[in-house]
Amino acid sequence: AQKVTQAQTEISVVEKEDVTLDCVYETRDTTYYLFWYKQPPSGELVFLIRRNSFDEQNEISGRYSWNFQKSTSSFNFTITASQVVDSAVYFCALSNYNQGGKLIFGQGTELSVKP
Amino acid sequence: EAGVAQSPRYKIIEKRQSVAFWCNPISGHATLYWYQQILGQGPKLLIQFQNNGVVDDSQLPKDRFSAERLKGVDSTLKIQPAKLEDSAVYLCASSLERTGLAKNIQYFGAGTRLSVL
Repeated sequence: AQKVTQAQTEISVVEKEDVTLDCVYETRDTTYYLFWYKQPPSGELVFLIRRNSFDEQNEISGRYSWNFQKSTSSFNFTITASQVVDSAVYFCALSNYNQGGKLIFGQGTELSVKP
Repeated sequence: EAGVAQSPRYKIIEKRQSVAFWCNPISGHATLYWYQQILGQGPKLLIQFQNNGVVDDSQLPKDRFSAERLKGVDSTLKIQPAKLEDSAVYLCASSLERTGLAKNIQYFGAGTRLSVL
């Protein structure tokens, strides 16, 4: 079965705190892609990052960093020094090579950053 | 570059009525997707087009939902007749490539929020 689990439904932090959003996935495929999207109150999903199953290098982009571990089937996302503008719902998604681009989304984590 | 355009943004109808949503993908994008997002959940794929052909409609409730993408550009999604459980946000997305679809970055519109009373 293909599945993405984001166990944290809601997280609330105070500005400048670091926060990690967890993502665990299940797939039988050996070739797949993992994505993170951000959904602000305006509604559209904004692409943040894509990783393929053969590239376990962690990545840092400004205040954002991602930790991909195949051994634990996890693809976690950390925001350093959070800001109020980071408040949104964040989705982790899986795309299997033989499924033609279909994204399987987790339930989402609602992040609230308070001033 | 203009993003994915969707209309209307909001729609309220009564059960058993019909409704249609429109999507204009990013210019040049070959692949178009419709997702349903129920409140508190992640989006779920309803149908995927590559140009004007259907790639995947396995999760589309075909007894009431239909979609088309004439000329491989704009797309419409229709529900007829609507049920209470169809209340959701309907998101349209597009991606550039025609092959290697699994790695494609999908770009989303702002969605249409449907309320069925």
